[in-house]
Amino acid sequence: DAKTTQPTSMDCAEGRAANLPCNHSTISGNEYVYWYRQIHSQGPQYIIHGLKNNETNEMASLIITEDRKSSTLILPHATLRDTAVYYCIVLNRDDKIIFGKGTRLHILP
Amino acid sequence: DAGVIQSPRHEVTEMGQEVTLRCKPISGHNSLFWYRQTMMRGLELLIYFNNNVPIDDSGMPEDRFSAKMPNASFSTLKIQPSEPRDSAVYFCASSFRTSQETQYFGPGTRLLVL
Repeated sequence: DAKTTQPTSMDCAEGRAANLPCNHSTISGNEYVYWYRQIHSQGPQYIIHGLKNNETNEMASLIITEDRKSSTLILPHATLRDTAVYYCIVLNRDDKIIFGKGTRLHILP
Repeated sequence: DAGVIQSPRHEVTEMGQEVTLRCKPISGHNSLFWYRQTMMRGLELLIYFNNNVPIDDSGMPEDRFSAKMPNASFSTLKIQPSEPRDSAVYFCASSFRTSQETQYFGPGTRLLVL
């Protein structure tokens, strides 16, 4: 089973920031938080990952709480092309990625 | 780089036939992964290779499924005999070293077994 909990779906207005939450209360000290997304009919795409500190790249920002039990992926200016399923993943000790059901993000025009 | 290449992109076959899916990972990547995605089960890891050696095949559903990686630039996933419940999208992904690193996915092969 996936070690994360995410809302099933979310809506966000185009041009606004999309904030996608993820709960990973059982995360271990050496486990990273990864985010991928899957646009319809395409393979999953890596977005960002982090361990303890907040991270930012050209696609998104990742905010990890101090206790590391939850995180938020932020798409600063959502566009229609950001409509996708977003997966929050914590790598387990067996080095096996487990994709849960993710959050279906709808960007509304 | 062209990214991960998969072929065919679409496959329609009849129950009982052999199906072979192909994958070319990104050059220089040492790990390769096969995933299967269905509406019911989501995205599942089938098998993981590192340096051409199968490391974890616990996700392979049954003996009808087999995967090989004869060299660093090519892998196959074979289903023999195929069954309608094997209908799914099969993704191949590669990463530089291990599964804990960023994985790059191919476009997938959409398999329909009639």
